Amino acid sequence: DQQVKQNSPSLSVQEGRISILNCDYTNSMFDYFLWYKKYPAEGPTFLISISSIKDKNEDGRFTVFLNKSAKHLSLHIVPSQPGDSAVYFCAASEGGQAGTALIFGKGTTLSVSS
Amino acid sequence: NAGVTQTPKFRILKIGQSMTLQCTQDMNHNYMYWYRQDPGMGLKLIYYSVGAGITDKGEVPNGYNVSRSTTEDFPLRLELAAPSQTSVYFCASSPTLAAQETQYFGPGTRLLVL
Repeated sequence: DQQVKQNSPSLSVQEGRISILNCDYTNSMFDYFLWYKKYPAEGPTFLISISSIKDKNEDGRFTVFLNKSAKHLSLHIVPSQPGDSAVYFCAASEGGQAGTALIFGKGTTLSVSS
Repeated sequence: NAGVTQTPKFRILKIGQSMTLQCTQDMNHNYMYWYRQDPGMGLKLIYYSVGAGITDKGEVPNGYNVSRSTTEDFPLRLELAAPSQTSVYFCASSPTLAAQETQYFGPGTRLLVL
């Protein structure tokens, strides 16, 4: 039973356009959400996060939107660059629960063509 | 700083063999984690540690053991390797409780059990 779902295994976008990666979750106790980026043969690296008390967080070209009523979050990358080509993981956690740590989705592979 | 380092990068084991995956971090982080990532899947937590001498099980602990004798090191032991343990293993650390803090990941160990 997946608590964090990334239903699109892949996404292809042209350089300069917007990339939108989506993530759905089922556990209403999640209160912190993160996006990680992963290149081949490397470990995931933190990209951006959002607390459940917010509905938007922005960091440069990256913006994460959270819709708690729909249990949905999305990552927007504007403008997309070829170096953004990677696997993007959505992750969620329940506050104060070290044992659960992060629950990851399966990932979405983003390909940005020049 | 090297961050989180893992050895070996790749290993082939025969069924029933055992091995230890090494993980070291030089950031003086209290929290450390072991995840596994199966093909096409998200990362799943195997074990975690909140400090030297303290470890606990995550979502998929069966077939593994850990120890934490120092802040820096968090080795993962596989006893009686099975084909189901074929995966990529990531070690991670964070300075405070993972639920509210970025985790820093190592590059991963790719394990093949034949």
